[in-house]
Amino acid sequence: QKEVEQDPGPLSVPEGAIVSLNCTYSNSAFQYFMWYRQYSRKGPELLMYTYSSGNKEDGRFTAQVDKSSKYISLFIRDSQPSDSATYLCATRIAGGTSYGKLTFGQGTILTVHP
Amino acid sequence: EAQVTQNPRYLITVTGKKLTVTCSQNMNHEYMSWYRQDPGLGLRQIYYSMNVEVTDKGDVPEGYKVSRKEKRNFPLILESPSPNQTSLYFCASRAGVGRPDSNQPQHFGDGTRLSIL
Repeated sequence: QKEVEQDPGPLSVPEGAIVSLNCTYSNSAFQYFMWYRQYSRKGPELLMYTYSSGNKEDGRFTAQVDKSSKYISLFIRDSQPSDSATYLCATRIAGGTSYGKLTFGQGTILTVHP
Repeated sequence: EAQVTQNPRYLITVTGKKLTVTCSQNMNHEYMSWYRQDPGLGLRQIYYSMNVEVTDKGDVPEGYKVSRKEKRNFPLILESPSPNQTSLYFCASRAGVGRPDSNQPQHFGDGTRLSIL
């Protein structure tokens, strides 16, 4: 079983829709949770970064973490064609020699059509 | 501009021919790592380095070597490449523990697409 599971999609939505992307994880040691966006032929770029449970909002993007159920979500409001990309959830532990290692989900391919 | 630079961006080569993918960062980061990205598997860590002359294996180190002789550079070496190493490779860096920016997330390069025939 993968430590982080993500529905690979693909997901296709009309412009203006609300998009929900989800991941589950199995390791209780994960303390930091991230969402990366990856455009074609580019490296992952950080979108949202949260620590522990709760919500974090940044413009049209909201990240949710529920540590009790080991569930991570990203919501995109008023989706735009420019949001079309692969979205990757990632987690890491808080310390130790592996403090820098990110564990990724498989990525979800999102297409927002006009 | 803060950057992680990888070279080459694309490479097609043959089985057994040694190759090196370079990675350089300009942020004075202590921590650097290599990932490979494969369809359906996401990104998986190959090797990482916590500082100069300190390297360790990640989840999928077989067939790869790394070195960290300078803080800014972290090359990935394939001594005898095989077709199962055909993949998209990413280098990443972040600040080390104890720095004010140590909780900042990793910066990624734009990737190197390797095809081993």
